[in-house]
Amino acid sequence: NSKVIQTPRYLVKGQGQKAKMRCIPEKGHPVVFWYQQNKNNEFKFLINFQNQEVLQQIDMTEKRFSAECPSNSPCSLEIQSSEAGDSALYLCASSPKEVFFGKGTRLTVV
Amino acid sequence: GDQVEQSPSALSLHEGTSSALRCNFTTTTRSVQWFRQNSRGSLINLFYLASGTKENGRLKSAFDSKELYSTLHIRDAQLEDSGTYFCAAETGGYKVVFGSGTRLLVSP
Repeated sequence: NSKVIQTPRYLVKGQGQKAKMRCIPEKGHPVVFWYQQNKNNEFKFLINFQNQEVLQQIDMTEKRFSAECPSNSPCSLEIQSSEAGDSALYLCASSPKEVFFGKGTRLTVV
Repeated sequence: GDQVEQSPSALSLHEGTSSALRCNFTTTTRSVQWFRQNSRGSLINLFYLASGTKENGRLKSAFDSKELYSTLHIRDAQLEDSGTYFCAAETGGYKVVFGSGTRLLVSP
């Protein structure tokens, strides 16, 4: 039911390495979200965009995390220097009003 | 901050029985969505409600924006209903807050 495409599905990085994941939102959806879901199933909002502009982001995102949604290119979320605590499922979603999620990128930081 | 209180956290049902999940909201909520997450992490959209009730097969959901709660009823539970169910509230300005999830196990 969702047409949001996330790549890669799985990502393994060493501590201190960069981790980059991509998301192609559903066509015509102006809003894109990134969430982090931890091993306790808790969703943490990271950032959202309307078209290419950031709407909201949490403090954590401003430090080691960077994200962008350029026009005519996939959206991306990058962790500059991965830490063990970043291991999680990263979910991208897009929305006109109803929110649709991709299948996620499962990041493991070893 | 905005919170969504989801209950129960875990639920075990035998096939053919029925039950309900509930989410209480602590702030004005414009719409609510319900999702089921499978074991691989994929989130399946079940319902999107701005008000009232919706029904889809054995599932039915209601959203009361005045009393600030939503429910998801599962009737005649089947094995394939097993998974983790989440509600998510849109509280305005594209802010979507998730509940803590209900882990449902349906057994024969």
